[in-house]
Amino acid sequence: GQQLNQSPQSMFIQEGEDVSMNCTSSSIFNTWLWYKQDPGEGPVLLIALYKAGELTSNGRLTAQFGITRKDSFLNISASIPSDVGIYFCAGRGTSYGKLTFGQGTILTVHP
Amino acid sequence: GAVVSQHPSRVICKSGTSVKIECRSLDFQATTMFWYRQFPKQSLMLMATSNEGSKATYEQGVEKDKFLINHASLTLSTLTVTSAHPEDSSFYICSAPRFPGQINEKLFFGSGTQLSVL
Repeated sequence: GQQLNQSPQSMFIQEGEDVSMNCTSSSIFNTWLWYKQDPGEGPVLLIALYKAGELTSNGRLTAQFGITRKDSFLNISASIPSDVGIYFCAGRGTSYGKLTFGQGTILTVHP
Repeated sequence: GAVVSQHPSRVICKSGTSVKIECRSLDFQATTMFWYRQFPKQSLMLMATSNEGSKATYEQGVEKDKFLINHASLTLSTLTVTSAHPEDSSFYICSAPRFPGQINEKLFFGSGTQLSVL
């Protein structure tokens, strides 16, 4: 089956620093989605990407759909304490609705 | 605001009892919903696909008689954990696709249910 490798597994940064995380897949995806999950909550959609090469921003967040359709990255600029949480990438192949999730990146931001 | 509502957010039950979790799409219809399970600090694992008006589709290794799914309306799917045991304790999350089958399809998640079986 499809697998997603998300890295890094965890990050410890200072407030104000930029953050970058990425996902790579063993197969092609048609959609990439990035989610953030706070403890005890469901994932919240941050950015959705639908075309290879697409670069999309949402405030301080920027994500790109890789040209090969097998990878995506998420950047967070000027991190703040409320950015703390687990970030998941998710990819969708040809089955609408069904997503494959990365393992998650645990982000800790020190004030 | 939330587009998918999930209740309850937390439930504690005795071993052997059954627990029902509800998932509602708030301002759109969802003929399909998805149920996930998540262990601490791990990723989401798809359990089953809930289909309105027909049987749910279960992922390999998920017991359909243990995890009963009912999708009785276009906005409501329920997951019932039957005869719950401590090993069923987990975080259960539902999701529903908006604009399903379209290129801009987005999957929204409920807030999750933490099940603790004593």
